[in-house]
Amino acid sequence: DIVMTQSPLSLPVTPGEPASISCRSSQSVLHYNGHNYLEWYLQKPGQSPQLLIYLSSYRVSGVPDRFSGSGSGTEFKLEISRVEAEDVGVYYCMQALQTPRTFGPGTKVEIK
Amino acid sequence: QLVESGGDFVKPGGSLRLSCSGPGFTLDNAWVSWVRQAPGKGLEWLGLIKSNSVGGATDFAAPVKGRFSISRDDSKNTVFLHMNNLRTEDSALYYCATGPPCNNVVCLAGAGPSFDFWGRGTLVIVSS
Repeated sequence: DIVMTQSPLSLPVTPGEPASISCRSSQSVLHYNGHNYLEWYLQKPGQSPQLLIYLSSYRVSGVPDRFSGSGSGTEFKLEISRVEAEDVGVYYCMQALQTPRTFGPGTKVEIK
Repeated sequence: QLVESGGDFVKPGGSLRLSCSGPGFTLDNAWVSWVRQAPGKGLEWLGLIKSNSVGGATDFAAPVKGRFSISRDDSKNTVFLHMNNLRTEDSALYYCATGPPCNNVVCLAGAGPSFDFWGRGTLVIVSS
């Protein structure tokens, strides 16, 4: 199974400032078709998870453009250019290359 | 857009069937996954059922393989998670999740579509 790790696990942020979360996979999730099968989800307090980013860098329609995903192979990053109060919650990366799909442990983002 | 139901309080060793329906959302061409979240913990993918158009196969994570199964009744627009031999560690909020039809080479090369749609979850408590 592909093991996903994230850092940091807790991220206090200041509104208006940038934030970054790293995700690493134990095996490459880069397919020979050139796509990285890596997704980012946000679970806001008391809510179901919501998809933010798929195939490493494709932002879902309706997700603010302050969110961006990057990376390839085994190293990935989710960046928020300017954090807003509504961005608090737990962010999870997930590999979508093979089953069993596996999530990272989550990064809790909260306002300082 | 997805609605889970069937969660309950059950004793260890018991069984339960959860349902995932899509009022206003057609599941018949969807790959549907089940994901759970124990209280205060992270997300855990449990398994999926592919659409019947690609054979309707299922796959599961190790902790539930052999105890859980997934079936679908497209006539009722519902997917089921059948849970047997439940353990206390199976206590969690169970979500179903799905995405766009997986009918292109990029999606089929991976483990199915991204989880664009989630339900609100149904709670399972396993305790004596």
